[in-house]
Amino acid sequence: DGGITQSPKYLFRKEGQNVTLSCEQNLNHDAMYWYRQDPGQGLRLIYYSQIVNDFQKGDIAEGYSVSREKKESFPLTVTSAQKNPTAFYLCASSTLGGRQPQHFGDGTRLSIL
Amino acid sequence: AQSVTQLGSHVSVSEGALVLLRCNYSSSVPPYLFWYVQYPNQGLQLLLKYTSAATLVKGINDFEAEFKKSETSFHLTKPSAHMSDAAEYFCAVSPSNTGKLIFGQGTTLQVKP
Repeated sequence: DGGITQSPKYLFRKEGQNVTLSCEQNLNHDAMYWYRQDPGQGLRLIYYSQIVNDFQKGDIAEGYSVSREKKESFPLTVTSAQKNPTAFYLCASSTLGGRQPQHFGDGTRLSIL
Repeated sequence: AQSVTQLGSHVSVSEGALVLLRCNYSSSVPPYLFWYVQYPNQGLQLLLKYTSAATLVKGINDFEAEFKKSETSFHLTKPSAHMSDAAEYFCAVSPSNTGKLIFGQGTTLQVKP
């Protein structure tokens, strides 16, 4: 079955360390998204990409970076510049055009040691 | 600017009772609207979507929502709550063809036996 795979499920980061969250999809979707979820704040968009080798900042991009070298993959790096990285991170994908619904992975929970 | 407001961060109902989760939107263009459900430590699953074809939209698990343009609302209902409906529910609006979604803050549904 097609879907979105996020790994790892749980991730721990030390102070000053960069960590990378993986997101892979086999839905043949052009667009991919990264969200951050904090209790009571809904989902906030970090970055999104509509095509390989191109991506745009979302509402809270500071302290994060992404790449889109392959259509299937959209990894997110949480850098040491992100001072409050503890959160639940969700990756999503969708087709383009016509405002299609997004399909979500099961998330990665990042905590600081 | 487009926005989504979910009235009530927590809703509690008894098993078998009507479920009503409220969502109001603001959009400068005809909106596409979505309801998602999230179980603990999982991603979001699409319940239903409104894309202007019909004002009453039926989704999975007997959920439905009615689009009311005059009230700028898209409330989610279910005639009879099950224990398995306990989860967090998100309303979202798609304001453009970029594929981006704007999410409400979420409503946690508690179902009491």
